[in-house]
Amino acid sequence: KAGVTQTPRYLIKTRGQQVTLSCSPISGHRSVSWYQQTPGQGLQFLFEYFSETQRNKGNFPGRFSGRQFSNSRSEMNVSTLELGDSALYLCASSPGLAVYEQYFGPGTRLTVT
Amino acid sequence: SQQGEEDPQALSIQEGENATMNCSYKTSINNLQWYRQNSGRGLVHLILIRSNEREKHSGRLRVTLDTSKKSSSLLITASRAADTASYFCATDAGRNQGGKLIFGQGTELSVKP
Repeated sequence: KAGVTQTPRYLIKTRGQQVTLSCSPISGHRSVSWYQQTPGQGLQFLFEYFSETQRNKGNFPGRFSGRQFSNSRSEMNVSTLELGDSALYLCASSPGLAVYEQYFGPGTRLTVT
Repeated sequence: SQQGEEDPQALSIQEGENATMNCSYKTSINNLQWYRQNSGRGLVHLILIRSNEREKHSGRLRVTLDTSKKSSSLLITASRAADTASYFCATDAGRNQGGKLIFGQGTELSVKP
């Protein structure tokens, strides 16, 4: 099976712009989670989607949003970018509702200037 | 917010030596997982140990869990240069929190050939 894919891999944006990141889970996986990784805060949970429904949301401002499509692919959007949004954004998929091991994609490195 | 602490933050050893990393967490858990991350890439799942298990093995990896002390350790035996990476423990976030994982800050392991 193909692994989790994320696009784009690298992105440079300017403060105030918005960005959309994409994640394709492993075939058959219905749960997709997003994490932000920064040197200062480490790995922090953003949100989780299952069957197109957001099941859980982390402690991030409303500028961070996401969605999941019927084929389980997911996107996350960050509006009005701030310098502090520079981070590695990781997507992970898992088979279902229980807390199984998660399979991570390679991440999208976002730099905000 | 982070679930707990990992210790040490950095560890440097020679090939062939054993490496031990510790993780402490704050709240009751259903399971604890260990992940590896190579140089800013995606995370790779290593092992999952359930709250009713005390020890688990996978190849050169040995994980222990002490729920009374809210701590876990990861032992890598006969380390190799390819084991150089950051290692993270992650716990579930509790009942009704779905697949949300809470990560520690990680231990950076360097294995010198």
